Amino acid sequence: GQQLNQSPQSMFIQEGEDVSMNCTSSSIFNTWLWYKQDPGEGPVLLIALYKAGELTSNGRLTAQFGITRKDSFLNISASIPSDVGIYFCAGHPQHSGNTPLVFGKGTRLSVIA
Amino acid sequence: SAVISQKPSRDICQRGTSLTIQCQVDSQVTMMFWYRQQPGQSLTLIATANQGSEATYESGFVIDKFPISRPNLTFSTLTVSNMSPEDSSIYLCSVEDHQATTYGYTFGSGTRLTVV
Repeated sequence: GQQLNQSPQSMFIQEGEDVSMNCTSSSIFNTWLWYKQDPGEGPVLLIALYKAGELTSNGRLTAQFGITRKDSFLNISASIPSDVGIYFCAGHPQHSGNTPLVFGKGTRLSVIA
Repeated sequence: SAVISQKPSRDICQRGTSLTIQCQVDSQVTMMFWYRQQPGQSLTLIATANQGSEATYESGFVIDKFPISRPNLTFSTLTVSNMSPEDSSIYLCSVEDHQATTYGYTFGSGTRLTVV
């Protein structure tokens, strides 16, 4: 099946630093979604991307849909302690019909105050 | 976005027993999805539940082990049957969420299952 390669697997950063994580695929995706999961909770949608090249911001978060449609990145600026959690990329492969989302393995973010 | 109520939020169960997880959505949705998240892992789709038809299961998941009900457009249940410790996971339901300017999938808060 389709796979998303998400990196890095984990990050430890100082409060105030910027963060970048990305997802790549060997095949084309029609949609890229970025989720955050807090402990004991379900994933919450952060940003949704629908078109190649699209750059979208949500507060301190910025994500881009790669031109090749095979990758996406998520940036977090000026990190704060509540940014701690697991970030997942997800997407719809091209020609997937009603196939639901494919998820990356997640990036575990730790913020040191 | 859609609001999903999932319960129970957690449970500890004896091996060999079954647990039914409920998912209630505040709006009518065509498809509901059930995921499993094993400890420290990503989300794996178990099945897609459509109202009025049998659920569609992904490879590695079978109806006898994970029976699903979808009696109407706002509700679904997933049963984890004849549980073993390997079934200890977070189980999540999800729905497609179409809003005016965004499209994505909304998730319930999950059911953390521990089988002892």
